[in-house]
Amino acid sequence: TQLLEQSPQFLSIQEGENLTVYCNSSSVFSSLQWYRQEPGEGPVLLVTVVTGGEVKKLKRLTFQFGDARKDSSLHITAAQPGDTGLYLCAGGGGNEKLTFGTGTRLTIIP
Amino acid sequence: DTGASQNPRHKITKRGQNVTFRCDPISEHNRLYWYRQTLGQGPEFLTYFQNEAQLEKSRLLSDRFSAERPKGSFSTLEIQRTEQGDSAMYLCASSFFVLASTDTQYFGPGTRLTVL
Repeated sequence: TQLLEQSPQFLSIQEGENLTVYCNSSSVFSSLQWYRQEPGEGPVLLVTVVTGGEVKKLKRLTFQFGDARKDSSLHITAAQPGDTGLYLCAGGGGNEKLTFGTGTRLTIIP
Repeated sequence: DTGASQNPRHKITKRGQNVTFRCDPISEHNRLYWYRQTLGQGPEFLTYFQNEAQLEKSRLLSDRFSAERPKGSFSTLEIQRTEQGDSAMYLCASSFFVLASTDTQYFGPGTRLTVL
């Protein structure tokens, strides 16, 4: 069974600070996706990474896929209240279902 | 792409009743997925379709659960004889699957089921 562990589970920081959340597994994934989920809504895709060592930037968000394609990180620069939400990583095993992590609940304090 | 659409958004039912949820995928998406998410957890895979064919079902999908996608467009998920443990958010996602490429899934807003 493929498992994805996210850390930290909860993170509360002041507006303007930087933060990094992690997604780790003992399994190799062919792709890894990051989603953000608001309360009562479905996950919204932020990025997909597919190549070991790949780095993608989305404004103030930087995503990295580990060289061995077992882990990933999400770094947010100068966090804003609008970044508040549940961040989920999800591993793709090929062409089928996603395996989700348990999520990191981020709160940005104005 | 925006996500799939789902209805109802909320459903409250009594234990033992049957419920049915609907998911409409993004236009021309050939794959449709169902996931379940309980409080404080990430979504868990239930089943998926490619066109009208149901290709995989999770062990989480007990005999009381059935999903259909009769014409390869919208899908329904039915739960018979609901139990309190079925209370969860039921999420649908769709994708346009092409061999040898990453299958990017776009989620709907979910249906929140509460079983009393």
